[in-house]
Amino acid sequence: EAGVAQSPRYKIIEKRQSVAFWCNPISGHATLYWYQQILGQGPKLLIQFQNNGVVDDSQLPKDRFSAERLKGVDSTLKIQPAKLEDSAVYLCASSLQGTNQPQHFGDGTRLSIL
Amino acid sequence: LAKTTQPISMDSYEGQEVNITCSHNNIATNDYITWYQQFPSQGPRFIIQGYKTKVTNEVASLFIPADRKSSTLSLPRVSLSDTAVYYCLVVRGNTPLVFGKGTRLSVIA
Repeated sequence: EAGVAQSPRYKIIEKRQSVAFWCNPISGHATLYWYQQILGQGPKLLIQFQNNGVVDDSQLPKDRFSAERLKGVDSTLKIQPAKLEDSAVYLCASSLQGTNQPQHFGDGTRLSIL
Repeated sequence: LAKTTQPISMDSYEGQEVNITCSHNNIATNDYITWYQQFPSQGPRFIIQGYKTKVTNEVASLFIPADRKSSTLSLPRVSLSDTAVYYCLVVRGNTPLVFGKGTRLSVIA
């Protein structure tokens, strides 16, 4: 089966600019996650969707980050305006609905803020 | 969720068995133990998950003692391609995964 697709793979912007990332989960996976991974650390959850509804966005910096999952399939994550500390890899993951289902990750978008 | 503690790094020679131990002293009754593997420039990949005793798949084995306060991921006969970061996580239902810094395994020829 096709894995989780993310684009772009790399993005370089200047601080205060805006940027958007796209994710296409594995077909049939109702749950979608966005993570932020700073160099040398493990991924940190930003937001979790169940179909097109938000389950958990407690760690999403809502003053600058937004995410949506229209139609319960693809998702976009946006940062506006970007700060230097947003330099990281942004990972999208998806899983089947249900308890303790393993998450399948994409290869992420590496964001560099100048 | 229970906090996990695992070694920051480990080295091994090719062909050896590698055991990475993770402690999770405050694990709750309904919690499972899950391990992920991450290669550079890739997202984490699910390896194995267990509740108690021993679980084995084509990639690894997971040993969980009766008190479940620790677990050991066993990788048989590692190769250079097993060089990666390995994360131990405690999971409960649909609560979010909480990743630590993981164990950086370096396999040497």
